[in-house]
Amino acid sequence: AQSVTQLGSHVSVSEGALVLLRCNYSSSVPPYLFWYVQYPNQGLQLLLKYTTGATLVKGINGFEAEFKKSETSFHLTKPSAHMSDAAEYFCAVSQAGTALIFGKGTTLSVSS
Amino acid sequence: EPEVTQTPSHQVTQMGQEVILRCVPISNHLYFYWYRQILGQKVEFLVSFYNNEISEKSEIFDDQFSVERPDGSNFTLKIRSTKLEDSAMYFCASRPGRDRGNEQYFGPGTRLTVT
Repeated sequence: AQSVTQLGSHVSVSEGALVLLRCNYSSSVPPYLFWYVQYPNQGLQLLLKYTTGATLVKGINGFEAEFKKSETSFHLTKPSAHMSDAAEYFCAVSQAGTALIFGKGTTLSVSS
Repeated sequence: EPEVTQTPSHQVTQMGQEVILRCVPISNHLYFYWYRQILGQKVEFLVSFYNNEISEKSEIFDDQFSVERPDGSNFTLKIRSTKLEDSAMYFCASRPGRDRGNEQYFGPGTRLTVT
């Protein structure tokens, strides 16, 4: 069975600081990995995804994530946080064509 | 840009009543999904639908739930007799299907409140 663990339910950073949101997964087969963002009272928006190929994936709004098979990790980073990045972030895993399994989410707060 | 739409945005119902949540997936997408998110908890998969039948469902999706694609555009989730614990945000999603790794596109959700 697949599962996702997001370390840290709440991360706080200052504007301009590095953002690091952690995600570890468990999967018996090569996974497809995703990061979604949810702004208050809105739906889920895809930030980036890893399926095959390059392990460093770039997404929207300056975010990127690196797939590390040896560490079963897919951490999300952004070099410089912006106030507008404050939101809930979800890591998700799936196999080819199957349902997404989500982590519990990490709330990112950005202070000025 | 095409998007998934859901109606209503908020539904309030009494325990024991039937509710139907509606979704219009992105046209030419082939796979459709329902997920739910209980307040403060993670997003959970309910069911997937392809070629006019359920392709996968979770333990949550019991006999009280059903899905239907009544025409070429709508995709509905019916809860036959709502319970207090059905209160949640329900998200519809669709996926093109040409590439099995393609991401799922989510709608804005319907907030269901059961009183």
